[in-house]
Amino acid sequence: NAGVTQTPKFQVLKTGQSMTLQCAQDMNHNSMYWYRQDPGMGLRLIYYSASEGTTDKGEVPNGYNVSRLNKREFSLRLESAAPSQTSVYFCASRLTGGTDTQYFGPGTRLTVL
Amino acid sequence: GENVEQHPSTLSVQEGDSAVIKCTYSDSASNYFPWYKQELGKGPQLIIDIRSNVGEKKDQRIAVTLNKTAKHFSLHITETQPEDSAVYFCAARDSNYQLIWGAGTKLIIKP
Repeated sequence: NAGVTQTPKFQVLKTGQSMTLQCAQDMNHNSMYWYRQDPGMGLRLIYYSASEGTTDKGEVPNGYNVSRLNKREFSLRLESAAPSQTSVYFCASRLTGGTDTQYFGPGTRLTVL
Repeated sequence: GENVEQHPSTLSVQEGDSAVIKCTYSDSASNYFPWYKQELGKGPQLIIDIRSNVGEKKDQRIAVTLNKTAKHFSLHITETQPEDSAVYFCAARDSNYQLIWGAGTKLIIKP
């Protein structure tokens, strides 16, 4: 049981490049989340998906798109990366109707030059 | 919307002493308050949570208290150990059922 996995672990992009961060969970959870973590700012919600086929904006969605590919996978895409998107990105999942616990992946450290 | 403030940003305590981290929230409708621990290079992990119908909850050396009137909640760690060194985050659930997070507290346990 791997829990929540994220790829890649590290990535360096140039301004204007695009990339997709991948997330998968094997706990049969309904809800999935993408957060970014910046020093001194805690975690901020980018997008979330309450169930397969639905996605909603969080606190800081600008510059990002998401896809809930199936129940297991939730990807985050940066179409044209900017230095302000340098951050650590975490994916999380939760069983809707179960406990309120969110389970986090190990994170992706992204640097945009 | 909901806003969560967390203090202090860094806390250094002697091994064996107690540590207290405090958070305040702005939305009186918030009813769920979790605490997460983040070790270096890892994602956050839930350590304890409390709901608005309870004033205090304890799990071994960890306890959380909630004061709904004052809109603040605190994490208490007793008999601190080296493995308690980490960053701790509080959060409050907002009206959209999403978590709003504090900025984090780096806890340092001095041997």
